[in-house]
Amino acid sequence: AQTVTQSQPEMSVQEAETVTLSCTYDTSENNYYLFWYKQPPSRQMILVIRQEAYKQQNATENRFSVNFQKAAKSFSLKISDSQLGDTAMYFCAFMKHAAVIQGAQKLVFGQGTRLTINP
Amino acid sequence: KAGVTQTPRYLIKTRGQQVTLSCSPISGHRSVSWYQQTPGQGLQFLFEYFSETQRNKGNFPGRFSGRQFSNSRSEMNVSTLELGDSALYLCASSLGLGGTDTQYFGPGTRLTVL
Repeated sequence: AQTVTQSQPEMSVQEAETVTLSCTYDTSENNYYLFWYKQPPSRQMILVIRQEAYKQQNATENRFSVNFQKAAKSFSLKISDSQLGDTAMYFCAFMKHAAVIQGAQKLVFGQGTRLTINP
Repeated sequence: KAGVTQTPRYLIKTRGQQVTLSCSPISGHRSVSWYQQTPGQGLQFLFEYFSETQRNKGNFPGRFSGRQFSNSRSEMNVSTLELGDSALYLCASSLGLGGTDTQYFGPGTRLTVL
């Protein structure tokens, strides 16, 4: 079974600062996907960024980037130039690769990090 | 494209009752997954449907069931409600073709059991 651990329950930074959220995972799978989802106080879960395990290059999406260390099973999220709208719960999630016939695989989530951006 | 929609957004029920939640996926998505979110247990996978068939199931009792219709809309049913069933129920839709099959979430249904 896979497990995902987010060791920082809460973080708080000032607007415009850079913040890094940590995530480690445990799996025996070699082919899998990792995600960061954001859940603002309105509760709509939004995909922030996705990483395929077979890709060595770290994924980036505007101000969001990841540091994917496959051997260490680490997948951290860096938010640059943080904004008030980044305030949310952030969930790291794991999904193993599946063939088409196996269908959509379940997401295994960490416990989340509550991030607050202060003005 | 419209996003994933869930109805109702809020529900209050009493112990022993049953409840049905509905989820409409993104147009073109054929897979719908359901998750339960609670402060204590976090986000846990309930089940996944594709083309009206349940393909994957999490570790929940048989009181939790679901179905999917030919238009890919899905319903989740919880019978004989318990206090511990109070949670935010999220559904997520995806293409359902395996591989890098990103799931997109709806706003959730907040169920309170009294």
